[in-house]
Amino acid sequence: EAGVAQSPRYKIIEKRQSVAFWCNPISGHATLYWYQQILGQGPKLLIQFQNNGVVDDSQLPKDRFSAERLKGVDSTLKIQPAKLEDSAVYLCASSVHPVGTEAFFGQGTRLTVV
Amino acid sequence: TQLLEQSPQFLSIQEGENLTVYCNSSSVFSSLQWYRQEPGEGPVLLVTVVTGGEVKKLKRLTFQFGDARKDSSLHITAAQTGDTGLYLCAGSTGGGNKLTFGTGTQLKVEL
Repeated sequence: EAGVAQSPRYKIIEKRQSVAFWCNPISGHATLYWYQQILGQGPKLLIQFQNNGVVDDSQLPKDRFSAERLKGVDSTLKIQPAKLEDSAVYLCASSVHPVGTEAFFGQGTRLTVV
Repeated sequence: TQLLEQSPQFLSIQEGENLTVYCNSSSVFSSLQWYRQEPGEGPVLLVTVVTGGEVKKLKRLTFQFGDARKDSSLHITAAQTGDTGLYLCAGSTGGGNKLTFGTGTQLKVEL
């Protein structure tokens, strides 16, 4: 079974530029998550989708971050404009159901804003 | 916001020692999971506990869910260098609510 695919693996941009990350979840997984992880810390949930609807985006900085999940499959996360403090690993995960089932993670995209 | 505090934040031990990692919250969770993450990779699930007081064993790892379903612990017996990694607890609540991760415990096991 193919895992969660994310691209790119690494991205370096200057502050105030824009960037987009892509995620392809495991086939059949209804729930998709985007997390932001600072090195050595636990992942912070940015947005959770159930199919193509948003379940929770309470911690998404909506003035600069946006995400969509078209047709309930692939998802993109965009940052515009980027700030220095956005430097982090952005993890995408998917699960069959949102509660109590295993979340499968991609390898993440490491973003460096300079 | 549901906060999951893990302790200790960092742990460096010798191979063969035992250790316990704690995960505490003021919120009640319908289920709690433990993940391990290695550098450059996403977290990988170790176990899910759903019943208050539940104890699960996975080889040298023992997981316990608190009676009130607000806290959990992970105990490793006779740690090995391969246990090195970032250990994360994650709680979820009913009704399709979000999966919230703890603050993380960075474990380093040395020879």
